[in-house]
Amino acid sequence: QVQLQQWGAGLLKPSETLSLTCAVYGGSFSGYYWSWIRQPPGKGLEWIGEINHSGSTNYNPSLKSRVTISVDTSKNQFSLKLSSVTAADTAVYYCARVSYYDSSGYYYYYMDVWGKGTTVTVSS
Amino acid sequence: SSELTQDPAVSVALGQTVRITCQGDSLRSYYASWYQQKPGQAPVLVIYGKNNRPSGIPDRFSGSSSGNTASLTITGAQAEDEADYYCNSRDSSGNHPNVVFGGGTKLTVL
Repeated sequence: QVQLQQWGAGLLKPSETLSLTCAVYGGSFSGYYWSWIRQPPGKGLEWIGEINHSGSTNYNPSLKSRVTISVDTSKNQFSLKLSSVTAADTAVYYCARVSYYDSSGYYYYYMDVWGKGTTVTVSS
Repeated sequence: SSELTQDPAVSVALGQTVRITCQGDSLRSYYASWYQQKPGQAPVLVIYGKNNRPSGIPDRFSGSSSGNTASLTITGAQAEDEADYYCNSRDSSGNHPNVVFGGGTKLTVL
């Protein structure tokens, strides 16, 4: 059974860089995309970006200038860096496994395994 | 455009059927996926693809799609189904792929 374990600093000051890592246990790392999602307090889910095992990335256009997602296939890990954080970046951050494929001309895209979440607070 | 629209809140009487909808242009090419989130917990995938349930998801959960609208139906809602539900899709219509979530629907079981 695949499990995602995530960790990183939970308290940041404005202008610092958020750094989180997600490790994949119990399953293949290749053949999937690996995604970061966040949820501000009391709000909905926001996609941050994704990476596949070969390092190909896609980012949310609204965050693209500050986001870097990287992968370490030797450790089955992927990481998120978000620079120049502000209070608006305060949220629970989740990592997730993404399945993405097409069947008969229609595409499947879903996140079937999630990490437990890391609460990140930005405060001076 | 990369947007998915959901009703903010829906209620259902215990044991009755409820449908939660999600609208967006990306759904003409992508099946929506649906997630259940209870307070303080990570989201859980409940429906993906045409109408697929991950292992462990009760068969009272089902999905359907028509045009730009996807629906999640709970047939015989239970108290434990009270939660926030989010739809999700990829959108490849722009210059770069984007992934979007609906704003979420808060389901209350009366």
